[in-house]
Amino acid sequence: AQKVTQAQTEISVVEKEDVTLDCVYETRDTTYYLFWYKQPPSGELVFLIRRNSFDEQNEISGRYSWNFQKSTSSFNFTITASQVVDSAVYFCASDTGRRALTFGSGTRLQVQP
Amino acid sequence: DGGITQSPKYLFRKEGQNVTLSCEQNLNHDAMYWYRQDPGQGLRLIYYSQIVNDFQKGDIAEGYSVSREKKESFPLTVTSAQKNPTAFYLCASSNRPGIGETQYFGPGTRLLVL
Repeated sequence: AQKVTQAQTEISVVEKEDVTLDCVYETRDTTYYLFWYKQPPSGELVFLIRRNSFDEQNEISGRYSWNFQKSTSSFNFTITASQVVDSAVYFCASDTGRRALTFGSGTRLQVQP
Repeated sequence: DGGITQSPKYLFRKEGQNVTLSCEQNLNHDAMYWYRQDPGQGLRLIYYSQIVNDFQKGDIAEGYSVSREKKESFPLTVTSAQKNPTAFYLCASSNRPGIGETQYFGPGTRLLVL
């Protein structure tokens, strides 16, 4: 069965610090996709990134970067020079095509000014 | 602007009452989904629909019902059989059903029991 684990329940940092959110996934499928979503206090989930299992290249988008390592079944998310606006709950999710997304329990990030 | 709308933003349910949450999308997406989010937890799938007039149960379908009569609409009814309905409900859609399709989410409806 699919499972996504986000072991960090809550992280608190001071503005301009770098922070890494961990995501570990379990699947026996060879083809799968991984996602990160951001949930600000308003509640709506905002799509951040999608990665397929055949592409292990790291990706950078502005202050955001993602590190995908199949050897450790991890898809970690790093925010560089964090800002107060980054405060939110971040969800990692997997998709093996069976039905819909399997979500982790989320990591609440608080960025203090 | 294209997007997903959910209404109402807050909904109150009395004991024994059925209530319906609305979800509309104008993205011309084929697939639509309903998730439930409880405090401090991830999202759990209630129902999903890959095409008009078809829908499938998710992991926690008991006490819920849906319909998909139109491509743009996927309402969720919380029936009196759902004994613990207090939660945040999120609707999503994706361009096509199938693996790897990005799901886009609406703003959510918060359901509270009186």
